[in-house]
Amino acid sequence: QQPVQSPQAVILREGEDAVINCSSSKALYSVHWYRQKHGEAPVFLMILLKGGEQKGHEKISASFNEKKQQSSLYLTASQLSYSGTYFCGTEAFFSGSARQLTFGSGTQLTVLP
Amino acid sequence: GAVVSQHPSRVICKSGTSVKIECRSLDFQATTMFWYRQFPKKSLMLMATSNEGSKATYEQGVEKDKFLINHASLTLSTLTVTSAHPEDSSFYICSAGIPGRPQETQYFGPGTRLLVL
Repeated sequence: QQPVQSPQAVILREGEDAVINCSSSKALYSVHWYRQKHGEAPVFLMILLKGGEQKGHEKISASFNEKKQQSSLYLTASQLSYSGTYFCGTEAFFSGSARQLTFGSGTQLTVLP
Repeated sequence: GAVVSQHPSRVICKSGTSVKIECRSLDFQATTMFWYRQFPKKSLMLMATSNEGSKATYEQGVEKDKFLINHASLTLSTLTVTSAHPEDSSFYICSAGIPGRPQETQYFGPGTRLLVL
């Protein structure tokens, strides 16, 4: 079942912060975050494994609450380059080989100058 | 991170013809690759899982006779859209991951934009 992302779209000014949420109805092993620019393939941002860890990547960080089956992506002091569509991909269990992910519907982020 | 290539990046074909899309893992071996389809402003929808040396696993609603998948080696999977029709026009993306590592993810190819006239 597809995870639910919110909000569907957000418009920011440069320097502002944003939070994107990803929620699943099933227990999760991992959450993977990607950013996709128009006409391009998704680019991997970070992976969070069950354990409630939080990770950071430049000014982009994420948390994973396995009890709530939710993950949040935090973008601080947003830059123009952050514009794009953000997808979370969820994984119910680690199969050891293939990492089959189910993707959310996406959050379109627009950063204005 | 791992590198996945896809070819061609863009293809225009006439209705009724077949189109082959290649997906290669350049710096790792991938026993499993995934094929996605994406419509404008929509999410990535998994079409099938390509398994090296065995038959692909198709998602519900995906016609296996229309979307032929061959995973002949550990670095190459191909998707052939047979008898293409305008409704097959879409963005097709493959992905692969390094097996056996929990910290690893799926890496996407650059995608192939198919336009069927």
